[in-house]
Amino acid sequence: DTGVSQDPRHKITKRGQNVTFRCDPISEHNRLYWYRQTLGQGPEFLTYFQNEAQLEKSRLLSDRFSAERPKGSFSTLEIQRTEQGDSAMYLCASSGTGKRYEQFFGPGTRLTVL
Amino acid sequence: GQQLNQSPQSMFIQEGEDVSMNCTSSSIFNTWLWYKQDPGEGPVLLIALYKAGELTSNGRLTAQFGITRKDSFLNISASIPSDVGIYFCAGQLGSGGSNYKLTFGKGTLLTVNP
Repeated sequence: DTGVSQDPRHKITKRGQNVTFRCDPISEHNRLYWYRQTLGQGPEFLTYFQNEAQLEKSRLLSDRFSAERPKGSFSTLEIQRTEQGDSAMYLCASSGTGKRYEQFFGPGTRLTVL
Repeated sequence: GQQLNQSPQSMFIQEGEDVSMNCTSSSIFNTWLWYKQDPGEGPVLLIALYKAGELTSNGRLTAQFGITRKDSFLNISASIPSDVGIYFCAGQLGSGGSNYKLTFGKGTLLTVNP
């Protein structure tokens, strides 16, 4: 399968714990994006990487959130001291650098904070 | 954050009927994309539009990029049960910097009665 993959698919944690999600983009794509989706809403942009450089962070990304893409391939999204309001689907997408910027999404990680 | 206005919010139709949904924005976009999302999965790209006035088809799906660059619509002809899902529109400015992020609508939930 050469699509975007995410791990884990589901995560249940207790409030105050740290969690880390991983995203593996389509291999030839150098742009990688993280989005968050809550029930009944469309995905909302969190952050974006071009190669290993993090080029933009949304105001939604509080200080408890950090994302990395150390070698310009896979990316991790960490949430520290989770809160119940962090419960959501976390989606990763990737795109190439041609004129056409279609983003292809992974299956998402569903986070539940108890 | 900003979200696009997508309508209708939901549709319940009979198999074989045609479907039309649209998306409007207060600001212009240079790319419009339509995605379909099944429960518990990530969005799947259906159609991408790059030019104002462009009309693009993908099988039974047809989408148009509005001339004002502030709207787009999606038509599905001869619906079948597997068309069930949530359809999202997304706009993108493109061409550098933060313009690659996608802004999504809230989605149209489509139910098809066999």
